Amino acid sequence: DIQLTQSPSFLSASVGDRVTITCRASQGISSYLAWYQQKPGKAPKLLIYAATTLQSGVPIRFSGSGSGTEFTLTISSLQPEDFATYHCQQLNSYPLTFGGGTKVEIK
Amino acid sequence: EVQLVESGGGLVKPGGSLRLSCAASGFTFSDYSMNWVRQAPGKGLEWVSFITSSINNIQYADSVMGRFTISRDNAKNSLYLQMNSLRAEDTAVYYCARYSYGSGRERKFDYWGPGTLVTVSS
Repeated sequence: DIQLTQSPSFLSASVGDRVTITCRASQGISSYLAWYQQKPGKAPKLLIYAATTLQSGVPIRFSGSGSGTEFTLTISSLQPEDFATYHCQQLNSYPLTFGGGTKVEIK
Repeated sequence: EVQLVESGGGLVKPGGSLRLSCAASGFTFSDYSMNWVRQAPGKGLEWVSFITSSINNIQYADSVMGRFTISRDNAKNSLYLQMNSLRAEDTAVYYCARYSYGSGRERKFDYWGPGTLVTVSS
C-alpha cells in the first residue's frame, strides 16, 4: 500500500501568511495526487487534482506542485476562511490512501 | 446542482449490520464511478470502497474486506454500503464521493455528501 506522510500535522499562522504543506508518498505516484480542505463538521472539499490543477471555483491563492513522491500545497496569502484541515490523497493505485491531515489554526 | 445525500447511519451493537444509502441527483449517476470514505471521530480520512459505473470493478480497503459490500442501482440513482460484522473501530462518519476521471491524470473525488454517522457500541 502507498503511504502518504503529511507535514506538518499542525500549523499556526496569521492572516496574510504564506503557508506550505508537504505530502510525501512512500513510492512514486506520478501526478495522481489531490488536495482537499475540510472544515469542522463538514465534508471535504476538492481544491487541487493532478497535483497542480486548481478545481473550478477555488481561489487562485491555492496552488499545488510536485510529482513522483513529493508534493506541496501552498496558500499564498492565508485568509480567515482558510483555517481548516487539509488532506492529500493518492489516486495512483488501490487501496487509495489519504495523508494524516494538516490542521491550520489562527496564531 | 450535483447533490449526494447519505442515509442509514445510527447506533448498532458490535457484530451487527447496517446498510447505508447515498442518493445522487444533478448529474447522470450511471456515468460515474463512486466511492465510500469514512472518518473516525477526531481522525483522518480513510477510503473504504470503490465501484465503477457499470459495476465491472469493485475495490475494498483491507480493513473492511469480507465484511462490507458496495453496490449501486443506476435506475434509482443510488449507491449502497452493506456493513456486516461491525466492530467498534468501524465507528465513523461515512461519506459517499463521486469519482471523476477525465483525460490524463485527472482523477479526483469532486463531490461529497455531508456524511452519515455510524456508531458501533454495546
